[in-house]
Amino acid sequence: QKEVEQDPGPLSVPEGAIVSLNCTYSNSAFQYFMWYRQYSRKGPELLMYTYSSGNKEDGRFTAQVDKSSKYISLFIRDSQPSDSATYLCALSTSGNTPLVFGKGTRLSVIA
Amino acid sequence: DGGITQSPKYLFRKEGQNVTLSCEQNLNHDAMYWYRQDPGQGLRLIYYSQIVNDFQKGDIAEGYSVSREKKESFPLTVTSAQKNPTAFYLCASSRGQMQETQYFGPGTRLLVL
Repeated sequence: QKEVEQDPGPLSVPEGAIVSLNCTYSNSAFQYFMWYRQYSRKGPELLMYTYSSGNKEDGRFTAQVDKSSKYISLFIRDSQPSDSATYLCALSTSGNTPLVFGKGTRLSVIA
Repeated sequence: DGGITQSPKYLFRKEGQNVTLSCEQNLNHDAMYWYRQDPGQGLRLIYYSQIVNDFQKGDIAEGYSVSREKKESFPLTVTSAQKNPTAFYLCASSRGQMQETQYFGPGTRLLVL
């Protein structure tokens, strides 16, 4: 079993839809959870950063961590065509070890 | 204007040639990283450095080499031993600890002639 699993998509939704992006993981030592957005041929940029369990909201974006289920989610409300990108989850333990990235989910929001 | 710069944007390599990708940051970050991205593969860690004059191998270090002589700079050399170098290469930096946010450069696309 891979450390982090992420459905690669592609996921296509109409403008205004609520989008749910997910990652599952196997290592219970992960405590830091991030979501990055990557536009085509660009470097990833950080969207959300959460520590341990719970929800975090920033505008149209909500990150959710369920450590008991080893499952993290990113919700995008009122999705826009400008949200079309690849979304990568990244996880880290509290030890000084590198981030582990999911393979990314490609999202298309159709106007 | 702080950030990470990578050059060149596109790089072409001939068979048997070593090429060097540049990465510079002015964020005063201690840690720097190199990733390789292939279609459908996500980000794979090549090398990372947490302090000047020290670096560690990542998951796919074979065929690559790095140096960290200055805090701001972390160049990556793709050697002739790397048989499948065509990929998108991303450099990143973070303040210090590995679990901290990483900031990425714009990437270099390496193609083999």
